[in-house]
Amino acid sequence: NAGVMQNPRHLVRRRGQEARLRCSPMKGHSHVYWYRQLPEEGLKFMVYLQKENIIDESGMPKERFSAEFPKEGPSILRIQQVVRGDSAAYFCASSPSNGGGGDGYTFGSGTRLTVV
Amino acid sequence: QKEVEQDPGPLSVPEGAIVSLNCTYSNSAFQYFMWYRQYSRKGPELLMYTYSSGNKEDGRFTAQVDKSSKYISLFIRDSQPSDSATYLCAMSHGGATNKLIFGTGTLLAVQP
Repeated sequence: NAGVMQNPRHLVRRRGQEARLRCSPMKGHSHVYWYRQLPEEGLKFMVYLQKENIIDESGMPKERFSAEFPKEGPSILRIQQVVRGDSAAYFCASSPSNGGGGDGYTFGSGTRLTVV
Repeated sequence: QKEVEQDPGPLSVPEGAIVSLNCTYSNSAFQYFMWYRQYSRKGPELLMYTYSSGNKEDGRFTAQVDKSSKYISLFIRDSQPSDSATYLCAMSHGGATNKLIFGTGTLLAVQP
């Protein structure tokens, strides 16, 4: 039973390029969350999605960032025109429901984005 | 002021010591409290999950929540070198979103 799969593990992009981060939730999980971890900081919530719906994007920067979770396939976090400040570890988590205040959350190993 | 405050450490203890990790918070709406362990270059792993106030024990780990003081703790007994990691507290008020608010993490090193 595979856990939450994120790829790529490491991604290097030049300033101005696009970054696409993928997350496949655990089998049976239909709720996906994206978090960002900057150096020396804790994880910050970005967005919560269910299949084909964005439920809460209150943590997403207003520009350049978007997320989707299509009916088929992984969830995608997309960052357009990356800047150096986007360099961070991006973690995806999935859960089987939105109940329980965080119980059942499983995190992936993250994608480490470096913008040069 | 951050919603969740956590001493970043680092905290260095000898093997076998009792470790105490703490977080304070300001939002009285938080109902769910968690401790995660994160090894270097890995994702967070849930250690303890507590709803509302009280204590919870699991093996060498004990989590305490004091909602009146807005203070949570994680105790590790008989600490081992394999416990060396960053420990993150996290909180949620549940609801439709279930987003977690994390502390910055405390780096723990258990010396053999």
